[in-house]
Amino acid sequence: EAQVTQNPRYLITVTGKKLTVTCSQNMNHEYMSWYRQDPGLGLRQIYYSMNVEVTDKGDVPEGYKVSRKEKRNFPLILESPSPNQTSLYFCATQDRGLAGELFFGEGSRLTVL
Amino acid sequence: AQSVTQPDIHITVSEGASLELRCNYSYGATPYLFWYVQSPGQGLQLLLKYFSGDTLVQGIKGFEAEFKRSQSSFNLRKPSVHWSDAAEYFCASPNDYKLSFGAGTTVTVRA
Repeated sequence: EAQVTQNPRYLITVTGKKLTVTCSQNMNHEYMSWYRQDPGLGLRQIYYSMNVEVTDKGDVPEGYKVSRKEKRNFPLILESPSPNQTSLYFCATQDRGLAGELFFGEGSRLTVL
Repeated sequence: AQSVTQPDIHITVSEGASLELRCNYSYGATPYLFWYVQSPGQGLQLLLKYFSGDTLVQGIKGFEAEFKRSQSSFNLRKPSVHWSDAAEYFCASPNDYKLSFGAGTTVTVRA
């Protein structure tokens, strides 16, 4: 079954405590990306990766890092989380350029106190 | 850059009634356009997409959307709503290397 798996699904943390949200896909897609969803703002892209070792900033990259060391994994790193990073995060993959369907994970709800 | 706007934040509809969700796009050339649905606690699922050709697009779950260049719109419709259609709906279009999403429309279905 085609899957995009995110972990953790829910996390409450405190300001400044580094955390990583993992994303793994089994569809062999080259393109992966991270979005955050906030009420009234829809989804906004944080980072994307066109292939292994190729990453670039999206619309709201401040405070986040990513890495793409292998095709199936694309972790999102918050080095020093702040309350304004409290949000719902989605990892997504895509099979063929911008015309392809995005496949989303189930989301990770992060609360930073 | 291509962008989309969803004018309606929240819509309430009775079960069995018809539903239409609005999406306006801003782009000179023929755009790629998508509708996604997000059920409570779930990720987003693609309902349908438009690239070119027939302006009336059929999707999953009984939804359809019509591309109207003269109105810069890509509205989503369903003739008869079921309680399970209560969700948040997003219109989206590609923009550089990402999808640009509208703010979303929340649909509430009353019995």
